[in-house]
Amino acid sequence: SQQGEEDPQALSIQEGENATMNCSYKTSINNLQWYRQNSGRGLVHLILIRSNEREKHSGRLRVTLDTSKKSSSLLITASRAADTASYFCATENSGGSNYKLTFGKGTLLTVNP
Amino acid sequence: GAGVSQSPRYKVAKRGQDVALRCDPISGHVSLFWYQQALGQGPEFLTYFQNEAQLDKSGLPSDRFFAERPEGSVSTLKIQRTQQEDSAVYLCASSPHRGLTGELFFGEGSRLTVL
Repeated sequence: SQQGEEDPQALSIQEGENATMNCSYKTSINNLQWYRQNSGRGLVHLILIRSNEREKHSGRLRVTLDTSKKSSSLLITASRAADTASYFCATENSGGSNYKLTFGKGTLLTVNP
Repeated sequence: GAGVSQSPRYKVAKRGQDVALRCDPISGHVSLFWYQQALGQGPEFLTYFQNEAQLDKSGLPSDRFFAERPEGSVSTLKIQRTQQEDSAVYLCASSPHRGLTGELFFGEGSRLTVL
């Protein structure tokens, strides 16, 4: 079963705009990761945020985590056409299997040139 | 190798056939994971190996699914008597760490279509 739910399911923006994707989850977590997947390709890790962190930055990416609301957001600033991809959040749940990342269904981001 | 390599990239099987999907992880990576990704969905965990030991197979959907990593490097996911609902992309990922510490490195997947 999938724990994370990304919102929106699809997002279409113009190049240069910012894109915000949200992820909600149900159980307590140790950490949350964001991955990107280009069509027909594998997943690429973007960023990991631990349960005791509230915000993290990496280049044009900004991730927030609110464990009280069981939610995270991924912000991509100054988007580029090459950012077009599906974005997934994945949680490592505390108390469960130590080996299982639980992925959401993803947000399909389209950046129009 | 430079990354996780999976083969075949595409496999078409008739219902009832057996298939074998191979994963070559990044050299030296201790952990190896298999995930199943249905069309339009996120990946779902199948199984986990730490070196040659299969420590978690809780995600394997039925006893038709079997995975091995006999020498702690290359892994094979075998699906016996394939059914249409097995159609999906099978993703392999590896990590230099034990368990889920840090990021996973994914291969490009093997797309299985069962007719």
